[in-house]
Amino acid sequence: QKEVEQNSGPLSVPEGAIASLNCTYSDRGSQSFFWYRQYSGKSPELIMSIYSNGDKEDGRFTAQLNKASQYVSLLIRDSQPSDSATYLCAVKGDNAGNMLTFGGGTRLMVKP
Amino acid sequence: DAGITQSPRHKVTETGTPVTLRCHQTENHRYMYWYRQDPGHGLRLIHYSYGVKDTDKGEVSDGYSVSRSKTEDFLLTLESATSSQTSVYFCAISESGFGGLHFGNGTRLTVT
Repeated sequence: QKEVEQNSGPLSVPEGAIASLNCTYSDRGSQSFFWYRQYSGKSPELIMSIYSNGDKEDGRFTAQLNKASQYVSLLIRDSQPSDSATYLCAVKGDNAGNMLTFGGGTRLMVKP
Repeated sequence: DAGITQSPRHKVTETGTPVTLRCHQTENHRYMYWYRQDPGHGLRLIHYSYGVKDTDKGEVSDGYSVSRSKTEDFLLTLESATSSQTSVYFCAISESGFGGLHFGNGTRLTVT
């Protein structure tokens, strides 16, 4: 059973701070890693993907991957109240037929 | 939402009745997926399709069937709805099966 673990939160940060969201996974064969943002009552929205060890930056978002430690994280710089949402981590193997396995999500609250 | 339409958006049905949910895409993507999302369980894959008439089971496929007769349409059928199938159902698409998924707006199903 492939597992993806996230702290459910809520993670509360003040406006302007850095929010750090973490995710661990059990399958060492995982090759693709994704972060989704889901507002309450809405569908998940893909915000970041990362495939190799290291950091990947996109605007205020940075995804970090460490395959040796089976750990992926998402940093949100200059957090805004509009970033308040649930963030889902998802991992996938190297075969197109592999399922995308989701973590339970971390609820982020950014306080003005 | 990446040209994905789910119908209906909300449905209330009685235990024992058959229910069909529809997912329609305008992106001509090869891969289509049905997920359910429940508190405490996150997003779980029900079935997916990798082409017309080509489908496979996900981790929670019992009680569900799917059909894909055209590239753009993927139907999810609950043969005989049970209260445990009360959930939010999301359809998702992927062009290659390797990248991230793009989700539809979801269908909230209540089985009474």
